[in-house]
Amino acid sequence: KQEVTQIPAALSVPEGENLVLNCSFTDSAIYNLQWFRQDPGKGLTSLLLIQSSQREQTSGRLNASLDKSSGRSTLYIAASQPGDSATYLCAVSKAAGNKLTFGGGTRVLVKP
Amino acid sequence: NAGVMQNPRHLVRRRGQEARLRCSPMKGHSHVYWYRQLPEEGLKFMVYLQKENIIDESGMPKERFSAEFPKEGPSILRIQQVVRGDSAAYFCASSQGQGATGNTIYFGEGSWLTVV
Repeated sequence: KQEVTQIPAALSVPEGENLVLNCSFTDSAIYNLQWFRQDPGKGLTSLLLIQSSQREQTSGRLNASLDKSSGRSTLYIAASQPGDSATYLCAVSKAAGNKLTFGGGTRVLVKP
Repeated sequence: NAGVMQNPRHLVRRRGQEARLRCSPMKGHSHVYWYRQLPEEGLKFMVYLQKENIIDESGMPKERFSAEFPKEGPSILRIQQVVRGDSAAYFCASSQGQGATGNTIYFGEGSWLTVV
């Protein structure tokens, strides 16, 4: 059974500092891995999707890496801003059907 | 292009009543997923549907919960005889389901169910 763990559970940084969020999964037979952002009382916004054959994806200040063999992904957010404050979730799917297994999330606070 | 639309956003039900949550996928999406987020817990998969078919319901509780995605109209998640433990945020998501980019999944804003 796939288990996804995110460490740390919460993170507080001053504005401008780079953020490093970690995600690990127990079963390396994944189809893809996605990073999401969730604001309080809101739905999830997809940030980056990494196919199992890829090593990383980048979008603006965001970069996500994937090491499938070791069961790890890292989300980097450069030059953090207060608007980056949110909960960040990673999720893996085993097949194309998009049944996602989520981690518990990392709650990020960027202080002005 | 409107996103995934869920309604109601907030729903209060007394114990024993029925709750119906609706989800309209993004235009052109034929794959719908329901997830549940219990307080202080992560999101858990419930069910995956395509038009008129349940593809995977391995995350659905065995009793009181059902889901459908009819040929016409939104997907419905139905919870009968609700109990306090059903209080949660229920998220619907959709995807095209074809190819690498088609697997990108889009979530709705969620329906918050409170059972009193």
